[in-house]
Amino acid sequence: SQKIEQNSEALNIQEGKTATLTCNYTNYSPAYLQWYRQDPGRGPVFLLLIRENEKEKRKERLKVTFDTTLKQSLFHITASQPADSATYLCALGVTGNQFYFGTGTSLTVIP
Amino acid sequence: DTEVTQTPKHLVMGMTNKKSLKCEQHMGHRAMYWYKQKAKKPPELMFVYSYEKLSINESVPSRFSPECPNSSLLNLHLHALQPEDSALYLCASGQTSGRGYQETQYFGPGTRLLVL
Repeated sequence: SQKIEQNSEALNIQEGKTATLTCNYTNYSPAYLQWYRQDPGRGPVFLLLIRENEKEKRKERLKVTFDTTLKQSLFHITASQPADSATYLCALGVTGNQFYFGTGTSLTVIP
Repeated sequence: DTEVTQTPKHLVMGMTNKKSLKCEQHMGHRAMYWYKQKAKKPPELMFVYSYEKLSINESVPSRFSPECPNSSLLNLHLHALQPEDSALYLCASGQTSGRGYQETQYFGPGTRLLVL
């Protein structure tokens, strides 16, 4: 069966540290992978996209890696801040217009 | 304007009611989506419209009926829903890249639906 799993349901880290979130998938062949942030009661907000032929993408304090052999993406937030506390979702983009979301990780950055 | 709007924000309906959710975007995106999200779960894809035509239906029960009147509007008609259909319903839109797939989606704030 097809699965997209994110490493843990909840992750707590100290302010200033690097948060690392994992997205693992099975039985998909994604053309690309996205990361979204979702705050309670709000729709997801797009953060970064990485394509199947790319190894790494960066945007400000965010970094995403994509290993299609391991079927895994890592999402890093460096110098984390309490304002980074939210749920982070990975989403696989397959051919056409289909997206499938991972289970999500709730990140709490402790001051 | 990078906004997707959804109305209403909240909706309470009985199992015999008929109601509609509305979604609007003015970004010129030609793909629009409906997702269902239960508490502490990821969004689940329901329907995809591409160029105003239904391209994907993820085996959604017929009590949910989507409609795309034009390239800016997307509706979800609800009839004879069950209490387990209570959820946050999210609309999204996206632009197809030159490679023929969506590179990002813009989500609306959602409609919180409660079925009694």
